[in-house]
Amino acid sequence: GAVVSQHPSWVICKSGTSVKIECRSLDFQATTMFWYRQFPKQSLMLMATSNEGSKATYEQGVEKDKFLINHASLTLSTLTVTSAHPEDSSFYICSARIGETQYFGPGTRLLVL
Amino acid sequence: GENVEQHPSTLSVQEGDSAVIKCTYSDSASNYFPWYKQELGKRPQLIIDIRSNVGEKKDQRIAVTLNKTAKHFSLHITETQPEDSAVYFCAASTSGTYKYIFGTGTRLKVLA
Repeated sequence: GAVVSQHPSWVICKSGTSVKIECRSLDFQATTMFWYRQFPKQSLMLMATSNEGSKATYEQGVEKDKFLINHASLTLSTLTVTSAHPEDSSFYICSARIGETQYFGPGTRLLVL
Repeated sequence: GENVEQHPSTLSVQEGDSAVIKCTYSDSASNYFPWYKQELGKRPQLIIDIRSNVGEKKDQRIAVTLNKTAKHFSLHITETQPEDSAVYFCAASTSGTYKYIFGTGTRLKVLA
């Protein structure tokens, strides 16, 4: 139980394009999902909290117009990196909450050329 | 805001020895402390957690201790095995927000 999937697992795109990443809870419903960013050999940095049916809450320093989050159903949250640039290249990981525990997706590796 | 410090950043132990990783948090309102194991390129996996109303929790070779007064919590792995080699992250969470603040991670190497 408590399986979270992400799609795509990796993506390469040109600078200036937008990329959408999906996060799904496969066997449970999640009113709250979280989006993290992880640079090589570093910790997970929380970007935003995604709440089903309402606007996402962004952490300080995260541009909400650049990282668009939509949580339209209890099993799906999406993160769209708009006008991606090379500095946006990173490992993006989502999680879905059951009670206090977060279950993580496998991550999406984004490379912006 | 909440800050979580984690030490050491790297830890090498001989197979069969014990490993201890320590974390310190700053927000006294934090009340849930999970530990995750992350292998290279993979998702973080929950290995054990502890709530603020408990001082210690054990699951086979893994144990976690919590000192609320000192705002310290620690992960203990006994009888380490090569497959325990990974990066371990501690986190602190506050009831209501459910947000995790992660520690900086500890790269554990178990030498055969």
